[in-house]
Amino acid sequence: LAKTTQPISMDSYEGQEVNITCSHNNIATNDYITWYQQFPSQGPRFIIQGYKTKVTNEVASLFIPADRKSSTLSLPRVSLSDTAVYYCLVGELPTGGSYIPTFGRGTSLIVHP
Amino acid sequence: DAGVTQSPTHLIKTRGQQVTLRCSPKSGHDTVSWYQQALGQGPQFIFQYYEEEERQRGNFPDRFSGHQFPNYSSELNVNALLLGDSALYLCASSLRTSVNTEAFFGQGTRLTVV
Repeated sequence: LAKTTQPISMDSYEGQEVNITCSHNNIATNDYITWYQQFPSQGPRFIIQGYKTKVTNEVASLFIPADRKSSTLSLPRVSLSDTAVYYCLVGELPTGGSYIPTFGRGTSLIVHP
Repeated sequence: DAGVTQSPTHLIKTRGQQVTLRCSPKSGHDTVSWYQQALGQGPQFIFQYYEEEERQRGNFPDRFSGHQFPNYSSELNVNALLLGDSALYLCASSLRTSVNTEAFFGQGTRLTVV
């Protein structure tokens, strides 16, 4: 599995855009990039998945440069409720069995009033 | 549509005891995975079940065992509890034939070993 590196913590303020960058220098050709969000005392929740360029959904955007050695999760106009831990995961899509998310320590985002 | 449900939500056990945690997967899902999350750490994969068999296992001792029932629900058993087993235990469900990376997690069981 490709190793991922992301900041341990970040601070922001309500209404700002937050960008969390994840480094994955050893990403393999078949690997996809996935981000999960986890609130305290809850299980992680899938946010977004991508392979290259840009992916956007109702929650976030994911930017992946051409070399795919890093990715950036962008949260537009954060609110206090976006305070959570964000995990960057890299791995192949499942074949013949279910995907097993492999988590690092994640980035603890704190949004201030 | 109920999501992944886990029981109990909290549990306190004494060292050396045994514990059983339960998980009901999201409707339509056939695969259940279990994770252990220590304070301040990311979830660590314990094992995955589908078709009532353990299919993959993480780096956990044999004290950790599981079971999956015909209705796809699952149990995690931990024997000879250690203080270090205190953690949030998470269950995740998915569909074996899915080709995306989305797993659905329950809210977890907080186990405290004293």
